[in-house]
Amino acid sequence: EVQLLESGGGLVQPGGSLRLSCAASGFSFSGYAMSWVRQAPGKGLEWVSTVIGSGTSTFYADSVKGRFTVSRDNSKNTLYLQMNSLRGGDTAIYYCAKARESHGLLDSWGQGTLVTVFS
Amino acid sequence: DIVMTQSPDSLAVSLGEGATINCKSSQSVLSSSNNKNYLGWYQQKPGQPPKLLIYWASTRESGVPDRFSGSGSGTDFTLTISSLQAEDVAIYYCQQYYSTPYTFGQGTKLEIK
Repeated sequence: EVQLLESGGGLVQPGGSLRLSCAASGFSFSGYAMSWVRQAPGKGLEWVSTVIGSGTSTFYADSVKGRFTVSRDNSKNTLYLQMNSLRGGDTAIYYCAKARESHGLLDSWGQGTLVTVFS
Repeated sequence: DIVMTQSPDSLAVSLGEGATINCKSSQSVLSSSNNKNYLGWYQQKPGQPPKLLIYWASTRESGVPDRFSGSGSGTDFTLTISSLQAEDVAIYYCQQYYSTPYTFGQGTKLEIK
């Protein structure tokens, strides 16, 4: 059974940084692309970033490009999202999700971790 | 960017009746190389993460009840629930995974009438 467990969320001031982690189990982690998707309170889903299985290619939404960095440690079966220069608009639940053969098709999701940017 | 637009924004249906949700993409998500539509449908219940229901526009995910079906091609897609059950109350999202940024529709809230 695929399990994805996010951690690292919390309260941060504008301009601050946070690093999210997603511990994966139940599948061959290095064989799949992984993504971050966020959901602002009461709002819809917004794709944030994707990293392919090897970690050598990454993709970002324009809203986070240059501020967020996605990475993975396949030896630890863990996905990361380094978030810098945080803004109020980044307040959201951040979900990690496993991709299927097509990088954007997300077939398993974690429970999410809440990031709140406040002043 | 491919813009995904769902209709309606909300829908109230009686138990046992059918429900239809539409999704339109601003450009085709049909690949000429494999003739597949890069379109998925997700269900999100309150307090839960999204769950994949349908992919390639019409392929039901394992374990999803057969009352859920997807159809359409190119730019116009439909999610149909043939006989609404109480547990189907949720927000439904379409998503294109044809190209980055992988965009979602705004969501359709399905309720019981």
